[in-house]
Amino acid sequence: GEDVEQSLFLSVREGDSSVINCTYTDSSSTYLYWYKQEPGAGLQLLTYIFSNMDMKQDQRLTVLLNKKDKHLSLRIADTQTGDSAIYFCAETAQDDKIIFGKGTRLHILP
Amino acid sequence: NAGVMQNPRHLVRRRGQEARLRCSPMKGHSHVYWYRQLPEEGLKFMVYLQKENIIDESGMPKERFSAEFPKEGPSILRIQQVVRGDSAAYFCASSPGQGIAEAFFGQGTRLTVV
Repeated sequence: GEDVEQSLFLSVREGDSSVINCTYTDSSSTYLYWYKQEPGAGLQLLTYIFSNMDMKQDQRLTVLLNKKDKHLSLRIADTQTGDSAIYFCAETAQDDKIIFGKGTRLHILP
Repeated sequence: NAGVMQNPRHLVRRRGQEARLRCSPMKGHSHVYWYRQLPEEGLKFMVYLQKENIIDESGMPKERFSAEFPKEGPSILRIQQVVRGDSAAYFCASSPGQGIAEAFFGQGTRLTVV
């Protein structure tokens, strides 16, 4: 079946790098996504990666994909207080549904 | 994602009433997805619609919930005889077609059943 797993919490000091990890089960996923949700707000697409890529960089964000291990990570360099949010990993399943993980709550320490 | 409009943003209903949630997709988008987010949970798929067609409703509860996406007008998620357990944030996303990378999400409707 389809499942996306991620740790629920992460605390990082301001200025350090944050690394949020995710594992998925559907090996036929074509796209994998990272969404950000700030308190009381909707979802913001941060970045996505095609399944035939292994890395994508966009300013402070780096996405790494290990297709063999079905492992996806999001690295946020120089973490700021504005990065405090819930980060959702998601995959596109065979039938074009987007399957989400439960989200990782990123807490920034001063 | 500001292009996907959901209304109302907040909706309060008494138990037993009906809730109607609206989603206007981005211009040019003919595919709509509805997701439900329970407190402290991730998003759960409910239903996937194209204009005038339900493609996949495997995530919809069997009773009281229905969805439509008419040829004209917004997509509607309808919940009849609401119960407290229906309290959640309901998100709509739209995309221009199948198999594309980006589905844009609306801001969500927060339903509270009292």
